[in-house]
Amino acid sequence: AQKVTQAQTEISVVEKEDVTLDCVYETRDTTYYLFWYKQPPSGELVFLIRRNSFDEQNEISGRYSWNFQKSTSSFNFTITASQVVDSAVYFCALSEAQVNDMRFGAGTRLTVKP
Amino acid sequence: DAMVIQNPRYQVTQFGKPVTLSCSQTLNHNVMYWYQQKSSQAPKLLFHYYDKDFNNEADTPDNFQSRRPNTSFCFLDIRSPGLGDAAMYLCATSSRQGVMDTQYFGPGTRLTVL
Repeated sequence: AQKVTQAQTEISVVEKEDVTLDCVYETRDTTYYLFWYKQPPSGELVFLIRRNSFDEQNEISGRYSWNFQKSTSSFNFTITASQVVDSAVYFCALSEAQVNDMRFGAGTRLTVKP
Repeated sequence: DAMVIQNPRYQVTQFGKPVTLSCSQTLNHNVMYWYQQKSSQAPKLLFHYYDKDFNNEADTPDNFQSRRPNTSFCFLDIRSPGLGDAAMYLCATSSRQGVMDTQYFGPGTRLTVL
């Protein structure tokens, strides 16, 4: 069974600090997909990134970066120079190929204080 | 802009009074999903449609039904809402093209049951 663990329930930082959100996953499949979503207070889940299991390249998009390591089954998300607008709940999710069922982690609530 | 739209954003109903939530999409995606998200929890998949094929999750209560009259619209019917059904209901879409595609979410409908 697929499983996603986000051990950090809540994180609070001060603006301009860097912050890393952890995600550890379990799956028996060799082909799978990992996602990060942001859920601001408005409630909408905003897609941030998708990674397939064959692509371990790290990715950077502006202040966001992702570190995918199959050896440790982790897909961590780092926000550099955090801003108040980054305050949200962040979900990591896993989906196995051929199964249209995305499993979410419990989410990490990030609060960025001015 | 192509998007996923949910109406209404806030819905109040009475215990036992049927309620229908609406989702529409302009993405022309084949797959539409309904998730239930209770406070401080991860979204939980209720069911999804792949074109006209309905796929129910094993643990979705019978109280929850869905209709998809055409590609663009999908409805969630709660036949007899209980207090435990108060939650955010999220609609999502994806375009299955042989691989696991990203799910794009609407803004959600927050349901209150009095």
